[in-house]
Amino acid sequence: NAGVTQTPKFQVLKTGQSMTLQCAQDMNHEYMSWYRQDPGMGLRLIHYSVGAGITDQGEVPNGYNVSRSTTEDFPLRLLSAAPSQTSVYFCATSVAVSGANVLTFGAGSRLTVL
Amino acid sequence: GQNIDQPTEMTATEGAIVQINCTYQTSGFNGLFWYQQHAGEAPTFLSYNVLDGLEEKGRFSSFLSRSKGYSYLLLKELQMKDSASYLCAVSDSNYQLIWGAGTKLIIKP
Repeated sequence: NAGVTQTPKFQVLKTGQSMTLQCAQDMNHEYMSWYRQDPGMGLRLIHYSVGAGITDQGEVPNGYNVSRSTTEDFPLRLLSAAPSQTSVYFCATSVAVSGANVLTFGAGSRLTVL
Repeated sequence: GQNIDQPTEMTATEGAIVQINCTYQTSGFNGLFWYQQHAGEAPTFLSYNVLDGLEEKGRFSSFLSRSKGYSYLLLKELQMKDSASYLCAVSDSNYQLIWGAGTKLIIKP
């Protein structure tokens, strides 16, 4: 099992460019989410989905779009990249383990916006 | 507002014991999580506490006091591979996770 697969691992963009971070999972988890991680800050939720066709905003959704057409895939789109979006992005799925919703993270995508 | 506090960095010696504290103020409480994150890698799940008390998992234990808004992660018999950041996260009333900034643990031989 691959678990949660994110691509690309590294990306450099220029301000104003758009791109899509891909996330795929093979665990049949309904819940998927995108986080960003910045130095000195906790993980911040960008968008999440509780199942195919359903998405919702997290704490920091501005500048990002998501869609969930299948259970397996949850891409994150940057519409017009800004330097403030330089960050490490993690996709995560969730499953209940002994009453806890435990997150399984992808390896991360490091994005630099110049 | 919602807030999770944990020390930025701690140093300990191989073979010793270290306690990483986490205090929280959140709107509601539906459990507290600890994750481990090695440099350049993804966080991985360590423990979950929803009731007061100590949960033990091998060399790692996690404690929770809901009345004090306090948790700690205890690591025993430290090994070099335990050098990592340890993230505390609280599930709030909406079951959304609020994350601390993480504690970087440095293990010295």
